[in-house]
Amino acid sequence: GAVVSQHPSWVICKSGTSVKIECRSLDFQATTMFWYRQFPKQSLMLMATSNEGSKATYEQGVEKDKFLINHASLTLSTLTVTSAHPEDSSFYICSASHTSSYNSPLHFGNGTRLTVT
Amino acid sequence: GDSVTQMEGPVTLSEEAFLTINCTYTATGYPSLFWYVQYPGEGLQLLLKATKADDKGSNKGFEATYRKETTSFHLEKGSVQVSDSAVYFCALRLSGDSGGSNYKLTFGKGTLLTVNP
Repeated sequence: GAVVSQHPSWVICKSGTSVKIECRSLDFQATTMFWYRQFPKQSLMLMATSNEGSKATYEQGVEKDKFLINHASLTLSTLTVTSAHPEDSSFYICSASHTSSYNSPLHFGNGTRLTVT
Repeated sequence: GDSVTQMEGPVTLSEEAFLTINCTYTATGYPSLFWYVQYPGEGLQLLLKATKADDKGSNKGFEATYRKETTSFHLEKGSVQVSDSAVYFCALRLSGDSGGSNYKLTFGKGTLLTVNP
């Protein structure tokens, strides 16, 4: 089946530093990737939609300069949390779609637990 | 706007008990409906889906039927196991233009299920 690999699975960084999270589709080409953020005991909040070769579309309230998204190829999207602060600590999950059909399910990575100290 | 409402947990059951997790939705179009499962510390996995009214999705003993008349997609399992303990998310996805945010999933808040031996 379709596999999405997310790396790293967890990261601890100091306040003010930047962290990059990678999302790769291992056995399919992902035309669209999505980045979600999940707070403890809450649902997933869509942060942005990433289309290969174009600028990401950010959801309302998400700072595009803070959460940099790059989708340079059909198998890789990256999320960079710039100048991280403790309030950025969260669980970040990416997902990818391998067809253009809206009823095709998304395949999720295992998530990245970010802790900013 | 589009939304998903699912029963709040936590739900605690004994092994072999019957499970129902209610899910209702509000959508402006004709959505596809999904149930995702999240095991502790992991990303989401697709459990089952239904793409049109009266479709029944099923997987691993779980079932859900797309009821357009009641805008519902309740998840059921006849006999739960300890290994079913996880958070379950109901989600919808609308048709629209290819790519972009029209493909995004709208999630319910999730229901934590704990199955005791």
